[in-house]
Amino acid sequence: DGGITQSPKYLFRKEGQNVTLSCEQNLNHDAMYWYRQDPGQGLRLIYYSQIVNDFQKGDIAEGYSVSREKKESFPLTVTSAQKNPTAFYLCASSNAAGGVETQYFGPGTRLLVL
Amino acid sequence: GDSVTQMEGPVTLSEEAFLTINCTYTATGYPSLFWYVQYPGEGLQLLLKATKADDKGSNKGFEATYRKETTSFHLEKGSVQVSDSAVYFCALTSNQAGTALIFGKGTTLSVSS
Repeated sequence: DGGITQSPKYLFRKEGQNVTLSCEQNLNHDAMYWYRQDPGQGLRLIYYSQIVNDFQKGDIAEGYSVSREKKESFPLTVTSAQKNPTAFYLCASSNAAGGVETQYFGPGTRLLVL
Repeated sequence: GDSVTQMEGPVTLSEEAFLTINCTYTATGYPSLFWYVQYPGEGLQLLLKATKADDKGSNKGFEATYRKETTSFHLEKGSVQVSDSAVYFCALTSNQAGTALIFGKGTTLSVSS
């Protein structure tokens, strides 16, 4: 089955630690996205990538980093510079074929601080 | 910049009641409009979409019509079920390749039997 997978489902971070969230898609989509979800605030864009080896900052990129070495993978690293990392992180992908992009989402990773 | 405004929740209904969740938007050009649904602890699922004025998106008994004159995309369902309890997000995209979605803050729907 085609889709987007995120791992782990839950992730715990200690003070000063960097952690990496995985996102993999087998939909052959060109574009991939990372969103952060906090209660009552909807979803906010962290980073996005339109093609391999290229990515752009979203609205809340500070304290995060990404890479896009393969079309199907877009890992997100939450660095120690992110002072309030507790949130639900959602990865999405899309393909502009046909002129209208529809984004499809993974199941999410919940990050908690110890 | 572009933005989406949804009615604040929570919305609490009895089973078989009529549902409306209001959504209005501000955008330059001609955006595409979406409704996504999120069940507890899960990611977002696309519920329906509309890509141009007067288009009606529909799925699983839910409908929404793209109204350019009122810049609205209200979600409706004639008879809700307990299983419809979830958070509903209205969103838009500018139709430029690789452009991220702009979301409303979400509306929580709770349906009781």
